[in-house]
Amino acid sequence: AQTVTQSQPEMSVQEAETVTLSCTYDTSESDYYLFWYKQPPSRQMILVIRQEAYKQQNATENRFSVNFQKAAKSFSLKISDSQLGDAAMYFCAYRSPNTGNQFYFGTGTSLTVIP
Amino acid sequence: DTGVSQDPRHKITKRGQNVTFRCDPISEHNRLYWYRQTLGQGPEFLTYFQNEAQLEKSRLLSDRFSAERPKGSFSTLEIQRTEQGDSAMYLCASSPNALAGDTQYFGPGTRLTVL
Repeated sequence: AQTVTQSQPEMSVQEAETVTLSCTYDTSESDYYLFWYKQPPSRQMILVIRQEAYKQQNATENRFSVNFQKAAKSFSLKISDSQLGDAAMYFCAYRSPNTGNQFYFGTGTSLTVIP
Repeated sequence: DTGVSQDPRHKITKRGQNVTFRCDPISEHNRLYWYRQTLGQGPEFLTYFQNEAQLEKSRLLSDRFSAERPKGSFSTLEIQRTEQGDSAMYLCASSPNALAGDTQYFGPGTRLTVL
C-alpha cells in the first residue's frame, strides 16, 4: 500500500501570516492524484486543494497553494494570510487508479491559528 | 444537494452487541466509500461500492463487518459482536464517478464507542 507521511503533528501560525504543512509519499506509480483535506473540530472533511501528478504547474485555490515536487515525492500546502477559520486538522491524501481509487491518508497536522 | 449524511452521529454500545450505521450519499453519486478513523490517525479505507456492487474490501474489514448498498443509493455498515477495538469514527464518502481525480465528499461520521 502507498504510504503518506505528515511529519508535523502540530503547527501554529499567527493570524494573517503564512504557514506551510509538509507531506511526503511513497509510490512507484506515475499516474496519481494528491489532495489536501481539512477537518475542522467536530465537522466533516472538506477538500482544500487537488493536484494531478502529470501537471507540472502547482495547484492554487485562493489563499491555498501547493508545492508539488514529483521527483522528491513531496506535496506541501501553503496557507497565506491565515485566518481563524483555517484552524483544523489537515490531511494529505494520495489516490491512484491502480490502487482502486481509494484514498491513502497521512496522520494529519493539527493547525492552530493564533489571534 | 444536501451533502453526504450519516446516521447516527454517535453510538455507544456494550461489547458483544451488534450495531448498524447508515450513509446517504449525494444523489446520483455512483461511488460510495467507508473509512475508519481512530484518534490521532487519518482515515483508513474499509470498502467501496460502485452502484450496488461492493468492489473492494480492506484487510481491516474483518468477518464481523458487513456493508451493503442494496439499491445503489444509501449504504449500511454493520458490525457484529462489537469489540472495544472497534471504537472509532466511521466515515462515509461519495464521488460522482470512478475517476481517480474525482473529489470525494465526506459525511460527518458516526462516532462509535464500545464499552
